[in-house]
Amino acid sequence: AQSVSQHNHHVILSEAASLELGCNYSYGGTVNLFWYVQYPGQHLQLLLKYFSGDPLVKGIKGFEAEFIKSKFSFNLRKPSVQWSDTAEYFCAVNPSGGSYIPTFGRGTSLIVHP
Amino acid sequence: DGGITQSPKYLFRKEGQNVTLSCEQNLNHDAMYWYRQDPGQGLRLIYYSQIVNDFQKGDIAEGYSVSREKKESFPLTVTSAQKNPTAFYLCASSPRPPNTEAFFGQGTRLTVV
Repeated sequence: AQSVSQHNHHVILSEAASLELGCNYSYGGTVNLFWYVQYPGQHLQLLLKYFSGDPLVKGIKGFEAEFIKSKFSFNLRKPSVQWSDTAEYFCAVNPSGGSYIPTFGRGTSLIVHP
Repeated sequence: DGGITQSPKYLFRKEGQNVTLSCEQNLNHDAMYWYRQDPGQGLRLIYYSQIVNDFQKGDIAEGYSVSREKKESFPLTVTSAQKNPTAFYLCASSPRPPNTEAFFGQGTRLTVV
């Protein structure tokens, strides 16, 4: 079975700081990779996804993530955060073949101070 | 509007009672999922269903039951056998692979009193 590790559980930044959230997964085969975001009081929504092709993917609101296959990583980045980025961020993975069941990491709580 | 509707948003239950959480989707998705979200533990899979009339246990299925009689509906019953039912429950759906992005409902917060 696959698993997902998110290294940062709580991150506190000031506006305009750069952000990088780590995500590593364990699975021997080909995977689809996702970052979801949960803003306070709102439902989980997709931030970005990687299925194949260019390992650098861009998502909504200026976020991007890079898939490094050799490191089993899919880190999320944003060059300059805003107060409105305060949210919980979840990395998820599902195998490209078989059950396709998404497995989620524990989440990272990001607080951005104005 | 297409989406996933979970009801109710808040639910209170007395110990020893079963309770059913509703999840309806009008996205015509084949797969549906139930996750439990606890602080610091992320989302843990309770049950999933990839087609009508079929469902599988996830990682923490004990004390829960589901049914999938219609494509658009996937209700979750939290039984009295669930030892720690107070949590936030999320329902999700996804289309047929390989496009497997999951779409989530607003969630139901269950509190056992």
